[in-house]
Amino acid sequence: GQQLNQSPQSMFIQEGEDVSMNCTSSSIFNTWLWYKQDPGEGPVLLIALYKAGELTSNGRLTAQFGITRKDSFLNISASIPSDVGIYFCAGSGNTGKLIFGQGTTLQVKP
Amino acid sequence: EPEVTQTPSHQVTQMGQEVILHCVPISNHLYFYWYRQILGQKVEFLVSFYNNEISEKSEIFDDQFSVERPDGSNFTLKIRSTKLEDSAMYFCASRGLVEGTEAFFGQGTRLTVV
Repeated sequence: GQQLNQSPQSMFIQEGEDVSMNCTSSSIFNTWLWYKQDPGEGPVLLIALYKAGELTSNGRLTAQFGITRKDSFLNISASIPSDVGIYFCAGSGNTGKLIFGQGTTLQVKP
Repeated sequence: EPEVTQTPSHQVTQMGQEVILHCVPISNHLYFYWYRQILGQKVEFLVSFYNNEISEKSEIFDDQFSVERPDGSNFTLKIRSTKLEDSAMYFCASRGLVEGTEAFFGQGTRLTVV
């Protein structure tokens, strides 16, 4: 079945640093999504990407939909303590079903 | 802001018992989904539901699982005879019909099978 490889698995950074994480797939997706999950909560949508090559920002977050439609990255600039959490990429095809990556656990040291 | 509501937040059940997880999707949404997340692992797709029928299901969604939309607002996931390995967070999600609208997730139900 379709799988997403997300990296890195975890990151421990200093407050103020920039963060980058990415996802790759062997399959093409129509939509790439980035979610954040806090402990005990459901995933919350951060950014949705709909077109190959698209670069979208949401505050300090920037994400890109790869030209090949098989990859995406998420950047967080000037990290703050509340950025702590697990970040998931997800790919979606025509059916709307989401395939999730394994997640990147982000810890920010004040 | 509209949200997906799931109840209960935590369900403990004995192995072999039936459980029903409840979800109230966002009111004007038409696509409904169940996902599960085993502790420390990624979110996995279980089933999608549209126009009062299952549109797609994963290998995880075997004969022990069923979904139902008993009325105009609720969307339920039933596990007939729970196993220890069914212990997980179960998330309901819903999506509108308009292209470009993405799925919104509920807070999840933590199912613990003992």
